[in-house]
Amino acid sequence: EIVLTQSPGTLSLSPGERATLSCRASQSVSSSYLAWYQQKPGQAPRLLISGASSRATGIPDRFSGSGSGTDFTLTISRLEPEDFAVYYCQQYGSSPLTFGGGTKVEIK
Amino acid sequence: EVQLVESGGGLVQPGGSLRLSCAASGFTFSSYWMHWVRQAPGKGLVWVSRINSDGSSTSYADSVKGRFTISRDNAKNTLYLQMNSLRAEDTAVYYCARGRLRLAPADAFDIWGQGTMVTVSS
Repeated sequence: EIVLTQSPGTLSLSPGERATLSCRASQSVSSSYLAWYQQKPGQAPRLLISGASSRATGIPDRFSGSGSGTDFTLTISRLEPEDFAVYYCQQYGSSPLTFGGGTKVEIK
Repeated sequence: EVQLVESGGGLVQPGGSLRLSCAASGFTFSSYWMHWVRQAPGKGLVWVSRINSDGSSTSYADSVKGRFTISRDNAKNTLYLQMNSLRAEDTAVYYCARGRLRLAPADAFDIWGQGTMVTVSS
């Protein structure tokens, strides 16, 4: 099983600042089958990024993904008020599919 | 509108059974792999199971293998999760989700339902 470790656990930032979230895999994620999701309280997750770097339909370009192998990053270039949420990475290249533990981006 | 709507959650005693349903609309259900994902209160996301487009291939997380069964009825555009021998640790919101690309076994989840709560308690 591929274990995904997200850091930091919580990121305290102000609107307009840049957010950098990390996701590290215990073994290489095949074909960069790595996704990022955003989840707000009481809501279902929303797909942001698939294939490590491809934005999903309707996702603003302030969200970007990068990385390969075992190290991946989600960057939010300038935080908007609606971006404060929990973010999860997921690998879908090998079974069982696994999620990271999440990073909470909170208002400082 | 592309939509997934779960139902069937509720309170069940340990050792009991429950069947969840996920009704799909707005897309060609029979062309997509489908998944169940759960989230315990205050915790993260955990993948539970997946099924291919025609229902001939399934896989499960070790924590539910042998107790849960995923299935689908493409004529009714509905996904199911039969949950037997339920335990307290199965308490969670259960989401159904769609694999992003038609017929692709490995893909991210682009459509999610709103979730249905399952509580296992005496």
